[in-house]
Amino acid sequence: AQKVTQAQTEISVVEKEDVTLDCVYETRDTTYYLFWYKQPPSGELVFLIRRNSFDEQNEISGRYSWNFQKSTSSFNFTITASQVVDSAVYFCALSEAGYNTNAGKSTFGDGTTLTVKP
Amino acid sequence: DSGVTQTPKHLITATGQRVTLRCSPRSGDLSVYWYQQSLDQGLQFLIQYYNGEERAKGNILERFSAQQFPDLHSELNLSSLELGDSALYFCASSARPATDTQYFGPGTRLTVL
Repeated sequence: AQKVTQAQTEISVVEKEDVTLDCVYETRDTTYYLFWYKQPPSGELVFLIRRNSFDEQNEISGRYSWNFQKSTSSFNFTITASQVVDSAVYFCALSEAGYNTNAGKSTFGDGTTLTVKP
Repeated sequence: DSGVTQTPKHLITATGQRVTLRCSPRSGDLSVYWYQQSLDQGLQFLIQYYNGEERAKGNILERFSAQQFPDLHSELNLSSLELGDSALYFCASSARPATDTQYFGPGTRLTVL
């Protein structure tokens, strides 16, 4: 069975601080996808990034960066110079891939609530 | 705006009742997914359809059913509702079942009284 663990339930930082959200996953599949989603107070789920299991390159998008380490089954998310608008719940998710019958089935972590104070 | 639409936005009903939630995927997307988000269960995958056929099943109760129609919109039917079914129900869509990013709709907030 797949599992996604976001050990940090809540994080509070002051604006302009860097913050890293941890995500550790478990799967027996060799092919899978990892995602990060943001859920602001308004409630919608916003896609941030998708990474497949064969691509361990780190990625940077503006103030956001992601560190995928297959050896430790981790897919951590860092926000640099955080802003108040970054306050949200962030979810890490794992999706089965390939052509098995459960391809597309996603497992989400419990989410990390990030509060950025001015 | 993700391009995925869900109706209604809010739904208040009583225990024992039946409701239908509707989802229209993004233009061109063939896969539709349903999720339930509740305070005690977190975000749970319920079921996935691809081009009209059920593709993957998650933690969906037997009281719940879904289908995807030829025009690709999907409906989630919830019957014999219980207080614990109160949750935010999200629909998501993607072009293909596993390899593509899922884009989420705004959700339907279901309150069972």
